[in-house]
Amino acid sequence: DTAVSQTPKYLVTQMGNDKSIKCEQNLGHDTMYWYKQDSKKFLKIMFSYNNKELIINETVPNRFSPKSPDKAHLNLHINSLELGDSAVYFCASSPGPGAFGELFFGEGSRLTVL
Amino acid sequence: SQQGEEDPQALSIQEGENATMNCSYKTSINNLQWYRQNSGRGLVHLILIRSNEREKHSGRLRVTLDTSKKSSSLLITASRAADTASYFCAVLFGGSQGNLIFGKGTKLSVKP
Repeated sequence: DTAVSQTPKYLVTQMGNDKSIKCEQNLGHDTMYWYKQDSKKFLKIMFSYNNKELIINETVPNRFSPKSPDKAHLNLHINSLELGDSAVYFCASSPGPGAFGELFFGEGSRLTVL
Repeated sequence: SQQGEEDPQALSIQEGENATMNCSYKTSINNLQWYRQNSGRGLVHLILIRSNEREKHSGRLRVTLDTSKKSSSLLITASRAADTASYFCAVLFGGSQGNLIFGKGTKLSVKP
């Protein structure tokens, strides 16, 4: 059983399109995250939700909108895609807010914007 | 920025040798964590060391933390080809709603 699963794994799309990435965790964790990893492997936090409530919202364009329908799911919707949005997006979860313990990561969703 | 900075950026060694990676950071932290990322995969947690701890071991891994120097090191002993991966340190700061900030990673290549 995959603990943190993301779909799709690969996404190729044109500039200006809107796309979504879904994430689900079956670990019973309260907190979920979205991270962006650029071509230089730099991993930057984008959002964090605890029990469906937004607790971290880093400086991210408002074209990115996370949605958490329940504490096991955190989806990422991106409007009006730009070339610079090309990256690998990782979903992660942890038992509680603040990530005092370890994060459990999904396998990533590689987004390519043409 | 408060992110951890790993050193070196890349490291190539022979199987059986030890690998040491360093991480420096700029602000007070709650804890520091090390993660491994195999090519094309997600990150996997290796070890967490709290700010009041100085050394921690897990199998072939040894982590040290020097809060006075704001630095940590990860030692992998008797390396294996399967240890080939990128290794990231991540620092947690900011209290109960803290943020885990990752460095840029050290790419380790272990040659058989």
